[in-house]
Amino acid sequence: GENVEQHPSTLSVQEGDSAVIKCTYSDSASNYFPWYKQELGKRPQLIIDIRSNVGEKKDQRIAVTLNKTAKHFSLHITETQPEDSAVYFCAALETSYDKVIFGPGTSLSVIP
Amino acid sequence: EPEVTQTPSHQVTQMGQEVILRCVPISNHLYFYWYRQILGQKVEFLVSFYNNEISEKSEIFDDQFSVERPDGSNFTLKIRSTKLEDSAMYFCASRAGGSTDTQYFGPGTRLTVL
Repeated sequence: GENVEQHPSTLSVQEGDSAVIKCTYSDSASNYFPWYKQELGKRPQLIIDIRSNVGEKKDQRIAVTLNKTAKHFSLHITETQPEDSAVYFCAALETSYDKVIFGPGTSLSVIP
Repeated sequence: EPEVTQTPSHQVTQMGQEVILRCVPISNHLYFYWYRQILGQKVEFLVSFYNNEISEKSEIFDDQFSVERPDGSNFTLKIRSTKLEDSAMYFCASRAGGSTDTQYFGPGTRLTVL
């Protein structure tokens, strides 16, 4: 089955700097890759997603890149703000199996 | 904006007791899911449900677990005989279907087994 790895497990950046979180997946049939942000005690919130027919997607300060050949994808947050502090989960979905497999998460701290 | 809702927000139970966690998915969604998250760990897939039957389930979803859509709005997860290791946050999610892959999560039910 699918296995998703995520690095780093913790990340501290100064406010205004960029943050990059990297994930790898094992199942080449996976074709949908969402990223979720989870604040303490809250539900996971989708922040951006990418499908396998696209190499890059951007939404304001957030961008995601996908390398299907290498089976890895990354989240880039620019101009980080304290409210970006949260745990970020990458995930992969093989749509014919309809189950999302999450990575272990990255705890991001943005230091004012 | 419509949201997935879950009740109760926190459930405390004794080991061996049955619990039912309830979810109301977004009204026009067709696909439903349960996930769990042990404190400080990642979100783990339990089961997906479509057209009144289970589509996929994980190794965690053993015979102690069952899901049901008893009416047109509710989606429930039952744990027949709870164990200490069932203590976790349980999230329900729903998806519209068709070409839409996005799953929307509910706020979760924190289950504590004593």
